[in-house]
Amino acid sequence: AQSVTQLDSHVSVSEGTPVLLRCNYSSSYSPSLFWYVQHPNKGLQLLLKYTSAATLVKGINGFEAEFKKSETSFHLTKPSAHMSDAAEYFCVVSDWEEDSWGKLQFGAGTQVVVTP
Amino acid sequence: DAEITQSPRHKITETGRQVTLACHQTWNHNNMFWYRQDLGHGLRLIHYSYGVHDTNKGEVSDGYSVSRSNTEDLPLTLESAASSQTSVYFCASSESRQGEAFFGQGTRLTVV
Repeated sequence: AQSVTQLDSHVSVSEGTPVLLRCNYSSSYSPSLFWYVQHPNKGLQLLLKYTSAATLVKGINGFEAEFKKSETSFHLTKPSAHMSDAAEYFCVVSDWEEDSWGKLQFGAGTQVVVTP
Repeated sequence: DAEITQSPRHKITETGRQVTLACHQTWNHNNMFWYRQDLGHGLRLIHYSYGVHDTNKGEVSDGYSVSRSNTEDLPLTLESAASSQTSVYFCASSESRQGEAFFGQGTRLTVV
């Protein structure tokens, strides 16, 4: 079975400072991992994905994440926050187990606030 | 450009009424999913389909049904709407087991 834990429900950062959103996962098989972003009253947009290639994944808008199998983590980072990064972020896992194939398991989300 | 669209975007209905939310994708994806989003829960899977005439229950399927008569559409039906089904509903589609899902803009449903 697969599951996702986002360790912070809220993160507040100052504009121009680094952003770190933490995610741990549980998966029976080799997982695919994703980060999605949701701006207020909008749908979900894919930031980046890991699918068993390079462990350091670069995404859109300067975000990147590192897959660490030994720590079962997939933390999202950005060197310098921008006001437009204020949104909710979801860590998502999908594994190859037959009854989970293609199904996404979402974390509870991390709300990011960016202050000037 | 290919897209996935949901309708209506907002809906208010009364308890006990049947409600159908539409989802239409032009990606030609075999896999389609319905999720509901509630504060503190992220998105939870309601039903999903791997192709025409295939439907499967997700973790919160009670009170919901879907049917898949073609590749493009996966309508979600609430048989008898309840206040607990007040939520934001998202439809998604994906191409493969490794591929990311593409999401619609969501439908905000209020059951009064």
